[in-house]
Amino acid sequence: NAGVTQTPKFQVLKTGQSMTLQCAQDMNHNSMYWYRQDPGMGLRLIYYSASEGTTDKGEVPNGYNVSRLNKREFSLRLESAAPSQTSVYFCASSGYGSSGSESYEQYFGPGTRLTVT
Amino acid sequence: GQSLEQPSEVTAVEGAIVQINCTYQTSGFYGLSWYQQHDGGAPTFLSYNALDGLEETGRFSSFLSRSDSYGYLLLQELQMKDSASYFCAVKRGSTLGRLYFGRGTQLTVWP
Repeated sequence: NAGVTQTPKFQVLKTGQSMTLQCAQDMNHNSMYWYRQDPGMGLRLIYYSASEGTTDKGEVPNGYNVSRLNKREFSLRLESAAPSQTSVYFCASSGYGSSGSESYEQYFGPGTRLTVT
Repeated sequence: GQSLEQPSEVTAVEGAIVQINCTYQTSGFYGLSWYQQHDGGAPTFLSYNALDGLEETGRFSSFLSRSDSYGYLLLQELQMKDSASYFCAVKRGSTLGRLYFGRGTQLTVWP
């Protein structure tokens, strides 16, 4: 199992350019998340998806859109990048525990380091 | 809204015990998680407390007091490889795994 994979690992954009960050998980998890992490900060939730076909805003959704393409894949799109979006972006997923209730453990991908100039 | 407070830095020597505190203010509290993150790496799950008391997993233990809105992570027999950032995160809501993270505590372990 690869767990959670993210592409690309690094990206440099100019202000106003657009791009899509890709995320996939092979653990058959229902829920997927996008976070950003800025220096000296914890992770802040951008968007999440509780199941295929559903998405919801987190703490800092402005300037982003997401697509839950299928159960495995959850992409994050920046339509018009701004320097304030320079950050490390982490995708995560969580599933159900043995008891059948949603697991409290989230599995994170390796991150995408994005710089917007 | 919600807020989580944890110390920004903690230092200790190998073999010692260190405690990282976390206080929180939030509505809809369901539990407190701890994650470890090495420089440049992905956060990894350490523990979760939904009920008051101590949970022990090897050298790491985590404690929660819901009445005090307080928890801590206890690391024993510190090793150099424990040097990392440690984040507490509150779980809000029962049906989704939404987490709200603190700013993290940078632990440095000296030989």
